Amino acid sequence: AQSVTQLDSHVSVSEGTPVLLRCNYSSSYSPSLFWYVQHPNKGLQLLLKYTSAATLVKGINGFEAEFKKSETSFHLTKPSAHMSDAAEYFCVVSDWIGYQKVTFGTGTKLQVIP
Amino acid sequence: DGGITQSPKYLFRKEGQNVTLSCEQNLNHDAMYWYRQDPGQGLRLIYYSQIVNDFQKGDIAEGYSVSREKKESFPLTVTSAQKNPTAFYLCASSIEGSTEAFFGQGTRLTVV
Repeated sequence: AQSVTQLDSHVSVSEGTPVLLRCNYSSSYSPSLFWYVQHPNKGLQLLLKYTSAATLVKGINGFEAEFKKSETSFHLTKPSAHMSDAAEYFCVVSDWIGYQKVTFGTGTKLQVIP
Repeated sequence: DGGITQSPKYLFRKEGQNVTLSCEQNLNHDAMYWYRQDPGQGLRLIYYSQIVNDFQKGDIAEGYSVSREKKESFPLTVTSAQKNPTAFYLCASSIEGSTEAFFGQGTRLTVV
């Protein structure tokens, strides 16, 4: 079975403060994990990915995520929020089982307050 | 630049009409996918194709049809049988055996 839980549907932070978006997953395989960002009426942009290499993954725009197998978590962080970070973020688990089996979280909307 | 192109960006359809969404990729990817996105939900898989002239139903295929006559093209038809077609549709592609998907910019379909 494959599932993703994004623990917060909305997160609000002040500009310049840290960002934490939480994600827990389950998979019967050794999954790859991704974070995507989506701005309104836009497609999904890949922020970062974990594919069984280093557990601390650095992505674009200063975002990072740490894969913790014992906690089945893949939380997204950024030390200092910028106004342009306001968007919706999706945590994704993906396995190749003869085809690409992908499960998306329900998304976290990040609001950045000036 | 390599990528995935979806057109149109916005589409309006009258009830009872079929409508076709275009998806083209120049990444030379074998696999292509169609997803539907509704507010407050993650993306749900409609259809996927791993090779030309072959495609498989995803989790919510009812009311939709696809074709894969060329490697670079994977159009989606939303038929009149789809009860609630208003949504944001995303096309994606991937390399065979890869867990990473590349997404288009989406088409927002509204039934009026």
